[in-house]
Amino acid sequence: HSVLTQSPSASGTPGQRVTISCSGSSSNIGSNIVYWYQQLPGTAPKVVIYRNNQRPSGVPDRFSGSKSDTSASLAISGLRPEDEADYYCGSWDDSLSGWVFGGGTKLTVL
Amino acid sequence: QEQLVESGGGVVQPGGSLKLSCAASGFFFRGYGMHWVRQPPGKGLEWVAFLRFDGSNRNYADSVKGRFTISRDNSKNTLSLQMNSLKTEDTAIYYCANDEFLYWGHGTLVAVS
Repeated sequence: HSVLTQSPSASGTPGQRVTISCSGSSSNIGSNIVYWYQQLPGTAPKVVIYRNNQRPSGVPDRFSGSKSDTSASLAISGLRPEDEADYYCGSWDDSLSGWVFGGGTKLTVL
Repeated sequence: QEQLVESGGGVVQPGGSLKLSCAASGFFFRGYGMHWVRQPPGKGLEWVAFLRFDGSNRNYADSVKGRFTISRDNSKNTLSLQMNSLKTEDTAIYYCANDEFLYWGHGTLVAVS
């Protein structure tokens, strides 16, 4: 099982706002920054949020990230069909001295 | 244009060895720490190893510690992963990425069978 916990699935209709959560502990999210990755089928992952809430250039402002204590969230507003993908959270873990990922959330756009 | 290109994947028997390479271009490679991340078929992402920009510190996942070695040649803009004593559970697509995960390669497939 993964160190960071994500719900396996989420869904929404076009135009809706969806939130994907990531739960960790004091040794990872509680003391380090969080990244969010989007992986479309058959492609390499791509970061959509880095350093908790920063968007790389080219990522629409419909994507936003937040962190509170030992949990983090990725929100996608104005949901579009092309947002259908797997989403992963990640953070450094001080106890493991390594990077940890969540198990991934499969987002379906209905 | 920032680019990472992995190579060296293939089919290997259990107990065998393989060396992966990651060629970087379009960005200041020697200024970034680098990760290897893998993804078994149909499964999620698993972090493998990290190397600081200057090669001074390495970190490994417990699952590969003692078997895999991450290294880099900043003069050639290349990152490597030497994999020894391979197990069937090492079968995955292996990606290289920079320290903030802003740049990713397309991955190379390693099959241990």
